[in-house]
Amino acid sequence: ILNVEQSPQSLHVQEGDSTNFTCSFPSSNFYALHWYRWETAKSPEALFVMTLNGDEKKKGRISATLNTKEGYSYLYIKGSQPEDSATYLCAHDNYGQNFVFGPGTRLSVLP
Amino acid sequence: DTEVTQTPKHLVMGMTNKKSLKCEQHMGHRAMYWYKQKAKKPPELMFVYSYEKLSINESVPSRFSPECPNSSLLNLHLHALQPEDSALYLCASSQRKQAYEQYFGPGTRLTVT
Repeated sequence: ILNVEQSPQSLHVQEGDSTNFTCSFPSSNFYALHWYRWETAKSPEALFVMTLNGDEKKKGRISATLNTKEGYSYLYIKGSQPEDSATYLCAHDNYGQNFVFGPGTRLSVLP
Repeated sequence: DTEVTQTPKHLVMGMTNKKSLKCEQHMGHRAMYWYKQKAKKPPELMFVYSYEKLSINESVPSRFSPECPNSSLLNLHLHALQPEDSALYLCASSQRKQAYEQYFGPGTRLTVT
């Protein structure tokens, strides 16, 4: 069973602050790392899928990096807005044989 | 059309009932997934279909029976469920099974009495 961890568990920031959180995963048998945004009472929404070591992806104010050798990924949000408040989930994709979500980081952006 | 639809939205069933959950997508995706999600926990993978064939079965009890009649449809047949099976059941699809973003449906809220 893959162990996907995320930190911190929750985070409160002020509007305009930049923030980042971490996803760690087993580096063996790695295939892809997914990031999803999950708002309360809604379904998870895909942000990024990353496969290559050193990969960096960006979508607006949100970006992510990937280190497959040491087994971690960072998600960055620049200039946080209240609408960024959500739980951010990462998921480890293991050659399509397994797909495991981490417990998530709950972000609250205060106006 | 980038939508995954699920029916019904809510379902209440007794432990002796038989019911089915349905999921549909028209994005031409060839991988479809069933997840179980308990309150405030991330989704847990139950089944994956790739090209209409069961690819991953995460040791799910036999009272849950998936079916993929065609590339657009995914069913989950339920029989003799337990109260602990009460959860949100999410369907998702992706272009292929590996390394493609998944699109999630709104889920079916299941309550077993």
